[in-house]
Amino acid sequence: AQKITQTQPGMFVQEKEAVTLDCTYDTSDQSYGLFWYKQPSSGEMIFLIYQGSYDEQNATEGRYSLNFQKARKSANLVISASQLGDSAMYFCAMRPTGANSKLTFGKGITLSVRP
Amino acid sequence: DSGVTQTPKHLITATGQRVTLRCSPRSGDLSVYWYQQSLDQGLQFLIQYYNGEERAKGNILERFSAQQFPDLHSELNLSSLELGDSALYFCASSTSGAQETQYFGPGTRLLVL
Repeated sequence: AQKITQTQPGMFVQEKEAVTLDCTYDTSDQSYGLFWYKQPSSGEMIFLIYQGSYDEQNATEGRYSLNFQKARKSANLVISASQLGDSAMYFCAMRPTGANSKLTFGKGITLSVRP
Repeated sequence: DSGVTQTPKHLITATGQRVTLRCSPRSGDLSVYWYQQSLDQGLQFLIQYYNGEERAKGNILERFSAQQFPDLHSELNLSSLELGDSALYFCASSTSGAQETQYFGPGTRLLVL
């Protein structure tokens, strides 16, 4: 079974600054994928970034990067140059590698960007 | 826009009723997943279909059922509705492959009164 832990309380960041959202996970699978999704107040779930457990380099997608530390079982999301539109709920999720695997989600972290 | 469509966007109904939620996956995606998001349970996996066949079941109640049709759209049927079924229901789709990112639809917000 997989477990995702997101324990940070609501996070606040000043516009244009960087912020790190924490995620730790637990799994007995050797091969797995880690994902971050953004959920703005409108409700949709937006895929941000993916990291494979065997990827040697940390994933980056524009202003998003994933600080992957496999030994510590952590997959923190770093958002650089925060924008007001980044205010949202952020979910970390994982699934075992392989066809047709469900995602297991954390409880999410609320991020508020201050102007 | 993820390319996954869900209808209706909002649904208000009464206890004991039955509703059907509809999902059309992204073009080319064979897998469809249904998730429920509620305040107390968070995001929970319900069920998955792949090319018309059920592949995995999660915390889906017996009052709930789903199917995937030959054109790959999927429907989630919720019956004998209870107040606690009020939630945001997401459909997601993915292709096969190592990364297999699941792309989510906009969700159907169900309110049971």
